[in-house]
Amino acid sequence: LAKTTQPISMDSYEGQEVNITCSHNNIATNDYITWYQQFPSQGPRFIIQGYKTKVTNEVASLFIPADRKSSTLSLPRVSLSDTAVYYCLVGDRGGSARQLTFGSGTQLTVLP
Amino acid sequence: ETGVTQTPRHLVMGMTNKKSLKCEQHLGHNAMYWYKQSAKKPLELMFVYSLEERVENNSVPSRFSPECPNSSHLFLHLHTLQPEDSALYLCASSQDPGTGLGEQYFGPGTRLTVT
Repeated sequence: LAKTTQPISMDSYEGQEVNITCSHNNIATNDYITWYQQFPSQGPRFIIQGYKTKVTNEVASLFIPADRKSSTLSLPRVSLSDTAVYYCLVGDRGGSARQLTFGSGTQLTVLP
Repeated sequence: ETGVTQTPRHLVMGMTNKKSLKCEQHLGHNAMYWYKQSAKKPLELMFVYSLEERVENNSVPSRFSPECPNSSHLFLHLHTLQPEDSALYLCASSQDPGTGLGEQYFGPGTRLTVT
């Protein structure tokens, strides 16, 4: 199973762009990269998923370099409500859910 | 209602009690999951059901007993719990049967306290 490494915490200010990087050196050929967001006492919420290069949706962008050994979640112009824990997951979309391991995530704190 | 709902939202129970957590998904999904999240710990996958059959059981103690009567409903029956079982219990569903890393939709969770 691909192991992921993320910073434990990050601080930012309102209106700034935030980039959270996740390392996954042993990512497999069939693995996708997925990011979730979790607010306190709530279930995680899917943000974005990608395989290579760049994926963008209305919430975030996901940048994946050619070697796919890392990925960067980019949140444009964050607000106080973006304060949450962000999880990076790597796994085969057709594989067992056992691989769906949420690590400790990155606690993002947005300051006024 | 839309999405994934869980009841109750909060539950306090003694170690000798029997209670059940309920999850319902209104998304037409085929897979449902139970997770446990203890304070300051990562989410732990407990059980996975695909098309009403249990396909994953991550070495969960027998005092937790899941039930999936149909693809829209999932229960977690609790009996003789321990204080260390106090946690946020989250239900999730996804479109793809057979699990995987497809997008999962989570419910709001049940905050369980065992006294």
